[in-house]
Amino acid sequence: KAGVTQTPRYLIKTRGQQVTLSCSPISGHRSVSWYQQTPGQGLQFLFEYFSETQRNKGNFPGRFSGRQFSNSRSEMNVSTLELGDSALYLCASSLASLGFQETQYFGPGTRLLVL
Amino acid sequence: AQSVAQPEDQVNVAEGNPLTVKCTYSVSGNPYLFWYVQYPNRGLQFLLKYITGDNLVKGSYGFEAEFNKSQTSFHLKKPSALVSDSALYFCAVTGAGSYQLTFGKGTKLSVIP
Repeated sequence: KAGVTQTPRYLIKTRGQQVTLSCSPISGHRSVSWYQQTPGQGLQFLFEYFSETQRNKGNFPGRFSGRQFSNSRSEMNVSTLELGDSALYLCASSLASLGFQETQYFGPGTRLLVL
Repeated sequence: AQSVAQPEDQVNVAEGNPLTVKCTYSVSGNPYLFWYVQYPNRGLQFLLKYITGDNLVKGSYGFEAEFNKSQTSFHLKKPSALVSDSALYFCAVTGAGSYQLTFGKGTKLSVIP
């Protein structure tokens, strides 16, 4: 069974631009979560989607948004990029929503560099 | 609010020796605990989890973890370390109905040949 895939793997943007990252979960998984990983802050939860509904959102500004499609694929959008948005963005999928303590399986991440 | 503490930024151990990576947590209600490992330029790989039942959980690659409710700890252990175990290890916690997985800052494990 194929794992979680994320595209693109690497991205360079300039301040003020916007970016869209994509995540395809493991087949059959309905929950997708997004995390931001930086050396200073570690792994921080962005949001979780289950059956196209956002179940929970972390402490990030409104510039960070996401959505989930009917096939469970998810996209994350960051508008008006700032230098501090440079990070590894990880997507994880699970069979059911996090509220049921499901194991999450992670993709390889998208490394975003904002210049 | 839920939180995880990994008190050691780095752990060094000689190959063949036992290793322990420490984790303590705070969560409302029953905890659900996870260990993940991250190799350079890779995503996180699931090692093991505790949901309920036996306090000693066995996982991938010979790792195990012991849940201690009174000490709110979930330390990761391996009887004999391999050089290939060198990586970044993350402990994570969630609680019933939380819809959010909270990670520790990570512990870098270096196994010295």
